[in-house]
Amino acid sequence: DAKTTQPPSMDCAEGRAANLPCNHSTISGNEYVYWYRQIHSQGPQYIIHGLKNNETNEMASLIITEDRKSSTLILPHATLRDTAVYYCIVRAIQGAQKLVFGQGTRLTINP
Amino acid sequence: DAGVIQSPRHEVTEMGQEVTLRCKPISGHDYLFWYRQTMMRGLELLIYFNNNVPIDDSGMPEDRFSAKMPNASFSTLKIQPSEPRDSAVYFCASTIAGAGNEQFFGPGTRLTVL
Repeated sequence: DAKTTQPPSMDCAEGRAANLPCNHSTISGNEYVYWYRQIHSQGPQYIIHGLKNNETNEMASLIITEDRKSSTLILPHATLRDTAVYYCIVRAIQGAQKLVFGQGTRLTINP
Repeated sequence: DAGVIQSPRHEVTEMGQEVTLRCKPISGHDYLFWYRQTMMRGLELLIYFNNNVPIDDSGMPEDRFSAKMPNASFSTLKIQPSEPRDSAVYFCASTIAGAGNEQFFGPGTRLTVL
């Protein structure tokens, strides 16, 4: 699976959009981009995933660049409860179902 | 559904003792994963099963660790003998086969080995 690079930490004001970048320059054509988050002391939670089109669900939006070498997770109206570590993961469509977690981005939402 | 269930939630034991962690996956899921999380190493996959069969145990640190899945609704992770460096939070997760299917994580077991 391709490696991902994320900033170690970010801050965002409550009510504003939080934009979390991820670089996955070695991604191959059969790999998805997944985002999970981990709120303190809890298990990781799935947020969203995509292949090459932008995706949106009730939690967030995922913007994938045309060359697929990077992506941005957008939390449109961040709340204090969005404070967590956010993980960007690349995983092949077929084959092993396992996820390889990096260090993620620690997002702090400030009041 | 109650989600992935893990027990115990907290375990404190002394070095050399046997520790058994338990996991009940979500009904109908055919994949089960065991992860370990520490400050130093982050979240790392130990082993995963498909249809109760171990598929990849390359993350199991050493022979002191073993995992079993006797049926589709139960798995154990055993450490014997335990050592202080095994102190960590152990997560179990499950999913159903499919290209984009998410993994559902349990609340974790916080293990402290004194």
